[in-house]
Amino acid sequence: DAGVIQSPRHEVTEMGQEVTLRCKPISGHDYLFWYRQTMMRGLELLIYFNNNVPIDDSGMPEDRFSAKMPNASFSTLKIQPSEPRDSAVYFCASSPNRGVGSYEQYFGPGTRLTVT
Amino acid sequence: DAKTTQPNSMESNEEEPVHLPCNHSTISGTDYIHWYRQLPSQGPEYVIHGLTSNVNNRMASLAIAEDRKSSTLILHRATLRDAAVYYCILRDPLIQGAQKLVFGQGTRLTINP
Repeated sequence: DAGVIQSPRHEVTEMGQEVTLRCKPISGHDYLFWYRQTMMRGLELLIYFNNNVPIDDSGMPEDRFSAKMPNASFSTLKIQPSEPRDSAVYFCASSPNRGVGSYEQYFGPGTRLTVT
Repeated sequence: DAKTTQPNSMESNEEEPVHLPCNHSTISGTDYIHWYRQLPSQGPEYVIHGLTSNVNNRMASLAIAEDRKSSTLILHRATLRDAAVYYCILRDPLIQGAQKLVFGQGTRLTINP
């Protein structure tokens, strides 16, 4: 398996522009997660899906952020409008449902976003 | 969520064993102990997890104290590739949102050649 695939790997955009980050989870995984990592705040969970349905979006910083999962093999995280403080590395992860105690998550390589 | 405490950084030499400690004095009876690591410029990767008994896999061993208030991740023979930030995370599979990972600051492990 190719693992979790994220695109683009790097994105540089100007403040106010719309940014769309993409993720293809590992086939057969039931859960999909979006994380953000910054030096100041570390790794934070933004939102996660189970069987394409958003379960918990309490980590989404504000209404400028939205995430969708139209099918089991694709998810997007959109920022509109983007701001310099959104600069971070965004990770997508997926997880199979193997029962109590497991829930290993497999992370993608991340998208490094720079908003100028 | 029960909290974990890890040293900010540790240093070891190549080909020597490394013991990474994690304190979790408020752990509940149903919390699993998970370890992830993040290599430079990569996403985190799963290392190992356990509940009560010590666990071994191809990457590492997890030693869990009898009272479960602490655990130790053991890398038996460190290589330069093991230089990473190691995260100790507790997860209770019986609570809502158990699938979430809550990352702390972790331990930054440096391996000297």
